Amino acid sequence: EVQLVESGGGLAQPGRSLRLSCKASGFIFDDYAMHWVRQLPGKGLEWVSGISWDSGRIGYAESVKGRFIVSRDNAKNSLFLQMNRLRPEDMAFYYCIKGGGAQQPGYFDVWGRGTLVAVSS
Amino acid sequence: QSVLPQPPSVSGTPGQRVTISCSGSSSNIGNNVVHWYQQLPATAPKLLIFRTSQRPSGVPDRFSGSKSGTSASLAISGLQSEDEADYYCAAWDDTLNGWVFGGGTKLTVL
Repeated sequence: EVQLVESGGGLAQPGRSLRLSCKASGFIFDDYAMHWVRQLPGKGLEWVSGISWDSGRIGYAESVKGRFIVSRDNAKNSLFLQMNRLRPEDMAFYYCIKGGGAQQPGYFDVWGRGTLVAVSS
Repeated sequence: QSVLPQPPSVSGTPGQRVTISCSGSSSNIGNNVVHWYQQLPATAPKLLIFRTSQRPSGVPDRFSGSKSGTSASLAISGLQSEDEADYYCAAWDDTLNGWVFGGGTKLTVL
């Protein structure tokens, strides 16, 4: 069974940093692209970032470009999101997602349960 | 304002058929496939339809997707109470070079 378990969420002050992690199991991690999508509580979905299986192709939403850095460690079946210079509008549930489809851009195949990031002074 | 407008809400009675629309442009739906996600209350979203009309294993054939030009639709037939959820469309946007989502549609089963 595919499992994605996020961690690292919590409360941070504006301007500070947080690092999210996602531990994957149940599939061959380095065969798939991975993504982060966020959702404000009670609101819609926003794609944050995606990374190809070999980290050769990386993309970010305009809202986080230059502040967030996505990375992966295929040896440890793990995905990361380094969130710098946090803003109040970054507050959301962050979902780790296994990409689907052999051809990119693919789709969002399996979602983790999410981790909550709160940004407040 | 979502890049892919969806109706905020739709409703139907058990057994009915409902459709949810998703409007886009030539840079997203018009030139790429559409995917749909279902989010049951207090849970993470789940893939419902991929590549416009394909269902992952385990998704009932009551759910179907289609696309015409720059718009897409999700149809749910034989409505059941457990279908009450939020539904989101998504597509790759060639101009933004990233993924865009619909604003979501809340389905209520009366």
